[in-house]
Order: sequence, then C-alpha cells, then structure tokens
Amino acid sequence: DQQVKQNSPSLSVQEGRISILNCDYTNSMFDYFLWYKKYPAEGPTFLISISSIKDKNEDGRFTVFLNKSAKHLSLHIVPSQPGDSAVYFCAASGNYGGSQGNLIFGKGTKLSVKP
Amino acid sequence: KAGVTQTPRYLIKTRGQQVTLSCSPISGHRSVSWYQQTPGQGLQFLFEYFSETQRNKGNFPGRFSGRQFSNSRSEMNVSTLELGDSALYLCASSLRQGGYGYTFGSGTRLTVV
Repeated sequence: DQQVKQNSPSLSVQEGRISILNCDYTNSMFDYFLWYKKYPAEGPTFLISISSIKDKNEDGRFTVFLNKSAKHLSLHIVPSQPGDSAVYFCAASGNYGGSQGNLIFGKGTKLSVKP
Repeated sequence: KAGVTQTPRYLIKTRGQQVTLSCSPISGHRSVSWYQQTPGQGLQFLFEYFSETQRNKGNFPGRFSGRQFSNSRSEMNVSTLELGDSALYLCASSLRQGGYGYTFGSGTRLTVV
C-alpha cells in the first residue's frame, strides 16, 4: 500500500513558466513533508520542507503548499529553468508512538524544462 | 565539510553471492538510513541505525541486514543475491533520527547477473 503517491511520472514545462508537481498521501499521522531533487548518478538533495502546522513554505523560486484536509501537497517552481530538469521526490514522515519515523518517499516525477 | 561517502560506487555480482556496501556519514551525524531505489518504485526504506542500534526497519526480507559502528559508519549486507536486488542503494545521514535533515550519498549501483 503506497502511502505517498506522485501520480504524474513526468512533466514537461517551458522555460520561464511555472512547474507544479503534485503529491498525495494517505496516512494522517504524517506531520512533516519534504521535496527532494535527484539528478542521474547522484543522491537526492533536499529542496524544501513543510510542517503540518503550516500550509505554505517559500524558498526563492520554490514554494510548497500543504492541504491537510485533502492530504495533498504541491511544489511550485517559478520561473522554471532548464537546470531544474531532474526527478523530484515527495517524502513524508510522522510521529508514531512518540518517536519520529523514517521518511516515506513517492515514486518521483521527472521534470523536463525546455529552453 | 565532507559529505556522505558510499563505497563502492558500482558493483556487479552473480546471483547467489553476497555483497557488503559501506556508508560513511557526515562527521557528527549519528543516524544512518538505507534506501533502495529501483526503476518505477521510488525510494524504499530498508533500515535506520542510530547510535549503533537499529531503530527502524522497512519491509524487506531477512537477506538484507545492516550494522553501525561506534564511529557511525554503517554497512549493509545482502546475502543470496537475486536478480531483483539490482538497484541503486542510497545511504543518508542526519544528526537525529526520523528523517530530519537527511543528507544522501551518491549511492552504490548494484547489478546482479
């Protein structure tokens, strides 16, 4: 059973436009959400995170929105640049029985930004 | 400061053999987690070690095991390799348990033939 879902395996966007990557989760115990970016032959690198007590977090061109009632989060990249082309993973973590659990990842969305 | 170092970067093994992968965390990081990445499956959690103790374990068979040493370095072992074990194995370290502040290594690409 997949607890974190990224339903779009790929997304293609024109340079300068907005990229919107979506993520759904099923476990209401999740209280911390992250986005990672991964280039081929490299490990994932942390991009941005959001706690469940917030509904928005912004860092430069990257903004993450959290809709707890819908169990949905999204990553907005504005403006998109060719260097943003990578696989983006959504991840979630929760507090189970008093201790924070490990990160659960989605399967990733491959973003291609065309010049 | 040095990042998370995984060795070797690439490995080819034969079905039935065993393999040991190594991970050196960032200095001062006491938590090390291991993930398996296969095409179309994303990153699947294997286990987490903190202060030499396994704190969390994912849904993998007992052929997958790990350990952590007193200097926080970690090793992961896979015995009786199967073709389906071919994957990118990623290690992540952090100061504390639970997925906060993960820094990932570049991974070990294991191919089982």
